[in-house]
Amino acid sequence: AQSVTQPDIHITVSEGASLELRCNYSYGATPYLFWYVQSPGQGLQLLLKYFSGDTLVQGIKGFEAEFKRSQSSFNLRKPSVHWSDAAEYFCAVGAPGGGADGLTFGKGTHLIIQP
Amino acid sequence: EAQVTQNPRYLITVTGKKLTVTCSQNMNHEYMSWYRQDPGLGLRQIYYSMNVEVTDKGDVPEGYKVSRKEKRNFPLILESPSPNQTSLYFCASSRPGDEQFFGPGTRLTVL
Repeated sequence: AQSVTQPDIHITVSEGASLELRCNYSYGATPYLFWYVQSPGQGLQLLLKYFSGDTLVQGIKGFEAEFKRSQSSFNLRKPSVHWSDAAEYFCAVGAPGGGADGLTFGKGTHLIIQP
Repeated sequence: EAQVTQNPRYLITVTGKKLTVTCSQNMNHEYMSWYRQDPGLGLRQIYYSMNVEVTDKGDVPEGYKVSRKEKRNFPLILESPSPNQTSLYFCASSRPGDEQFFGPGTRLTVL
């Protein structure tokens, strides 16, 4: 069965500092990988996705993520965070081809931005 | 505007009173899913549908029903809600092989 681990429940970063959120997955083959963001009281917004090809993917809001097959990881990065980045971040894995059985989500990382 | 809509957005009910949360998408997506989100547990899939009249259980289906009579609609039915179904519910839709689009969420409280 597929699974996703986000080791950090909470992360606190100063505004303007760099950010890396960790995500490790367990899957029998190369899965589809996603990062979603959820602002307080809001739904989920897709930040970026990896299906195949270049292992460094660019997303919205200045985020990027790197797929590392050897480490089964898909870490999310941003060079300089803004106060508006404070939110809950979810890594998710799906079957190649986007199976209808949906996504398996990590438990989320809560990002706090210090002024 | 392409979107997934859910209604109601907020609902407070009592144990045992049947309720339905509607979900509709205007993107002609084949796949639709329901998730629940609970603190510390992330999102867990309840049911999914590959197309009209084709549904299957996700990870946490107990206490829920769904139907897919039309391609655009995928209602979630709680025939006898219990307090442990108090949660934030999300509907999502997608094309095969593509990302999922999520609705705004429905916050349900069962007293």
